[in-house]
Amino acid sequence: NAGVTQTPKFRILKIGQSMTLQCTQDMNHNYMYWYRQDPGMGLKLIYYSVGAGITDKGEVPNGYNVSRSTTEDFPLRLELAAPSQTSVYFCASITNQGYEQYFGPGTRLTVT
Amino acid sequence: AQKITQTQPGMFVQEKEAVTLDCTYDTSDQSYGLFWYKQPSSGEMIFLIYQGSYDEQNATEGRYSLNFQKARKSANLVISASQLGDSAMYFCAMREDRDDKIIFGKGTRLHILP
Repeated sequence: NAGVTQTPKFRILKIGQSMTLQCTQDMNHNYMYWYRQDPGMGLKLIYYSVGAGITDKGEVPNGYNVSRSTTEDFPLRLELAAPSQTSVYFCASITNQGYEQYFGPGTRLTVT
Repeated sequence: AQKITQTQPGMFVQEKEAVTLDCTYDTSDQSYGLFWYKQPSSGEMIFLIYQGSYDEQNATEGRYSLNFQKARKSANLVISASQLGDSAMYFCAMREDRDDKIIFGKGTRLHILP
């Protein structure tokens, strides 16, 4: 199993550009999460999903959108990039009764 | 709303000593889970230990144990016999079974001194 994979690893965006951060897991987990981590800070929940077709807002959803058309994939969309979205983005998944949240390696995004 | 508080932004501990990292939480749910993760300077998130709200015994995983005091809503991580490789950020997190959000605290940066 590859676990949770994220692409790209690094990206530099100009203000106002759009992009999609990809996240895929091959563990058949129903639950998937997107977090952002600003330098020296904790993880903030952006969006999460409890199954295909179901998504919900987390702590900091503004400026982001998600979709969940399959169990495996949970892409995060930035429509109009702003410098405040400069961060490291982590995707994670877990089973519904699971005790370990599996994390991807992260995407380092810089908006200038 | 669920909330996780880690009151120690940084700690310095001598190698081989035991370490306690504090975590308190706030929830109105009866069913929830508590997690601890380690994040070394390389940036990956490493799962350490989990405690369910209905678990009667404190969780242990090797040198890690979770001191779970439900009435006080605390879930402190204890690292026995600390090692230089334990230097990292440590995060406490909580999942409420009501909505399955998993929320993290701000973390504690642990420095192990030789």
